[in-house]
This record gives sequence, structure tokens and C-alpha cells, in this order.
Amino acid sequence: DAGVTQSPTHLIKTRGQQVTLRCSPISGHKSVSWYQQVLGQGPQFIFQYYEKEERGRGNFPDRFSARQFPNYSSELNVNALLLGDSALYLCASSLSRGGVDTGELFFGEGSRLTVL
Amino acid sequence: GQSLEQPSEVTAVEGAIVQINCTYQTSGFYGLSWYQQHDGGAPTFLSYNALDGLEETGRFSSFLSRSDSYGYLLLQELQMKDSASYFCAVREAGRRALTFGSGTRLQVQP
Repeated sequence: DAGVTQSPTHLIKTRGQQVTLRCSPISGHKSVSWYQQVLGQGPQFIFQYYEKEERGRGNFPDRFSARQFPNYSSELNVNALLLGDSALYLCASSLSRGGVDTGELFFGEGSRLTVL
Repeated sequence: GQSLEQPSEVTAVEGAIVQINCTYQTSGFYGLSWYQQHDGGAPTFLSYNALDGLEETGRFSSFLSRSDSYGYLLLQELQMKDSASYFCAVREAGRRALTFGSGTRLQVQP
């Protein structure tokens, strides 16, 4: 079975541009979460979606937005990119609505964004 | 809010045992999780403690003490492939996200 897949794996943007990152969860998983991981730090929560509705949002500016589609895949959009947005963006899926009821998330390998 | 503290780096030799500690400050949470992440890879779930005590999964064990706001991950019979970063994480009561520590980089030497 395929795991969580993310695209693109790497991308380079310049300040002020916009980026869209994509995620396909494990088949049967209805919950998708997005995390930002800066080099040398732990992942930081951005959004969680369940059944196409936003269920949680982290401490990120409104430049960050996301959505979940009927097939449970998801997109993360970041507008007006800043140098500080350079990071690894991780998508995670889980079976349950809570997403972390057993502390287990299934992560993709991430999209590495570099903002110049 | 909550914060988790872990040592930044730990070094050990093949075959040894290493313990990675995690202390946390939170008003209430559901449990403590541990994840492994190799360089360039995805975080991978290792264990979860909802209750106080020790959970064992093969060479890895994890411990939680809610009264001490403390947990640890114990890795036995270390192998070179265990060289990675290890993160503790909690889910705060009322939230649907995991809060991760900054991670402990484990280097296993021959």
C-alpha cells in the first residue's frame, strides 16, 4: 500500500511569490494535517482537516491556507512568500477525526521549500 | 500552551543502551509520543504512552510519568541504523495537533 505522498519534493521560489503543495493521504485515511519543519527543529502544526473541514489551525499567519478535497487529498497554499518560510512542509494522515488519539500520525517525506 | 525539552545531541556506541529524556510543561494532555526521523526522511511513529509506565516494542521502550511531567525513550542493542533524530510529542487536551520537541540527534558510533 502506498504511504502518504507529497509533491513537489523540492522547489525554489522568490520572495513575494505563491506556492501550492499537494498531499495524498494513505487510502482510507480521512484526516490530513500539515506541519512546518525548520532545519534543526521539530515539526510545527499548521492545519488539520477532517472530512473536508478545517478542524484545527496553528499559530501561522493568514498567508497560509489549505483545503481538503472529496478524495481526502489536500493542498497547502502559502502567499506572499518570505525568506522565513523556507522549510520542509510535512503532510500527515490518520484514520480518526482526532488524528492523534493514539499519538500516531503517518507522515509523507515532505516538500522542501527554499525562498530566495 | 506547552513546551517540551529534550537534549539536543546524544552519542553512543553500537550495542549499547541509550535513554533520551523528555520533560514537558502542559496543563493537560492525552499522551506522549515518540518519532524517529532520519536525515532527509519522514518522521516515523515509534511509540505512544497514554498511561504512566513502560511500553515495550522490540528494542525500543518508552516511559511516562505524569506526576513528574517526564518521559523517556530507551533504545537497546543500538545499531548504526538507529542514528537519527528522535522527537517527543504531546497532544494537548482540547487540541487536535501534536506539539513536538526540538528533537534529539542520536549518533551511533562503531
